[in-house]
Amino acid sequence: GQNIDQPTEMTATEGAIVQINCTYQTSGFNGLFWYQQHAGEAPTFLSYNVLDGLEEKGRFSSFLSRSKGYSYLLLKELQMKDSASYLCAVREGQAGTALIFGKGTTLSVSS
Amino acid sequence: DTGVSQNPRHKITKRGQNVTFRCDPISEHNRLYWYRQTLGQGPEFLTYFQNEAQLEKSRLLSDRFSAERPKGSFSTLEIQRTEQGDSAMYLCASSGYRDKGIGNTIYFGEGSWLTVV
Repeated sequence: GQNIDQPTEMTATEGAIVQINCTYQTSGFNGLFWYQQHAGEAPTFLSYNVLDGLEEKGRFSSFLSRSKGYSYLLLKELQMKDSASYLCAVREGQAGTALIFGKGTTLSVSS
Repeated sequence: DTGVSQNPRHKITKRGQNVTFRCDPISEHNRLYWYRQTLGQGPEFLTYFQNEAQLEKSRLLSDRFSAERPKGSFSTLEIQRTEQGDSAMYLCASSGYRDKGIGNTIYFGEGSWLTVV
């Protein structure tokens, strides 16, 4: 079966660093994706990991450990506009097949 | 290129009526996906097309749901005899072989909100 777990909610203050964890148990693995979704809007792509290690992209970084079935999204220098839901998604099959999403982590950034 | 386009953006319908949503993917993207999302949940996969072929359907896709992509470009998702439980945001997404460098990333449209009353 498929199981992707993330914390439901997190809070942080402006300027801080926050780490959002994701664990997964899937029948196959061909990449892990992080998306950001503001309330009432569509998810937008943030990052992609298929090999173990850290991928850095500006204020956002994503880490993957395939042996542990674990990923995290690291957000630095938090801004109010980072308040959103962060979705972890796994591709089980070959390239191009659908992504399976977790329920998302709602991050609230306060001043 | 204006991204993935969906319409209508909002639809209110009475229980038992049929509704149809349209999705226009990013130009030249050969893969198209439909997802459904309710409040507080992540997107749930419904179905997936490669060109005009429907390659995968979720068990969530009951007999009342049908999706088509007749010419391998735009797609439609029809829900027959709508029920209140069908109220959700229906998201369309696309991906293309040119995005191999970033894992065939899926790009989402703005979604079509359905409210069944």
